Amino acid sequence: ELKVEQNPLFLSMQEGKNYTIYCNYSTTSDRLYWYRQDPGKSLESLFVLLSNGAVKQEGRLMASLDTKARLSTLHITAAVHDLSATYFCAVDPSGAGSYQLTFGKGTKLSVIP
Amino acid sequence: NAGVMQNPRHLVRRRGQEARLRCSPMKGHSHVYWYRQLPEEGLKFMVYLQKENIIDESGMPKERFSAEFPKEGPSILRIQQVVRGDSAAYFCASSPLDRGTYEQYFGPGTRLTVT
Repeated sequence: ELKVEQNPLFLSMQEGKNYTIYCNYSTTSDRLYWYRQDPGKSLESLFVLLSNGAVKQEGRLMASLDTKARLSTLHITAAVHDLSATYFCAVDPSGAGSYQLTFGKGTKLSVIP
Repeated sequence: NAGVMQNPRHLVRRRGQEARLRCSPMKGHSHVYWYRQLPEEGLKFMVYLQKENIIDESGMPKERFSAEFPKEGPSILRIQQVVRGDSAAYFCASSPLDRGTYEQYFGPGTRLTVT
């Protein structure tokens, strides 16, 4: 059974600081997704990482994927309050026809002024 | 292009009643997925459907839960004889026929409360 572990689960950080969220998974996969969820809302797609070494950046967020280490990171640069949300990584196991996204428990980020 | 639509957004049912959750995929999308999210948890896969076919229902509870995606109309997740443990947010996602990056686009969810 595929396991996806995120850490930390809770993160409180001051505006302007940098931090990294980690996503480890237990089986081979070359497709990993990061989503953002605001309270009571749906999931907003942030990044789609499709190969080893993939790196994508959008604003203050940068995501990377190391398939050999089975690790993805979401790096936050100079955090601002608007980034407060819960961030999920989700893994799509390799293989034709795979479609079941397995989600981590999420990292609840609070950015404090 | 409208996104994935779900209704109702909030649903309250008493124990023993039936709950029907509806999902209309994005235009041009023919794959539909249902997920359940318990409080403070990530989403858990329930079922994957294409038009008139259930492709994988391995995440569905064995009893009381069923799903369909008819030729016409939305996909429906049906929960019979609801219990308090069914209280959760239920999200539908869709992806296009050519699944490309295999990305799934999520709807706003239906928050089910069983009293």
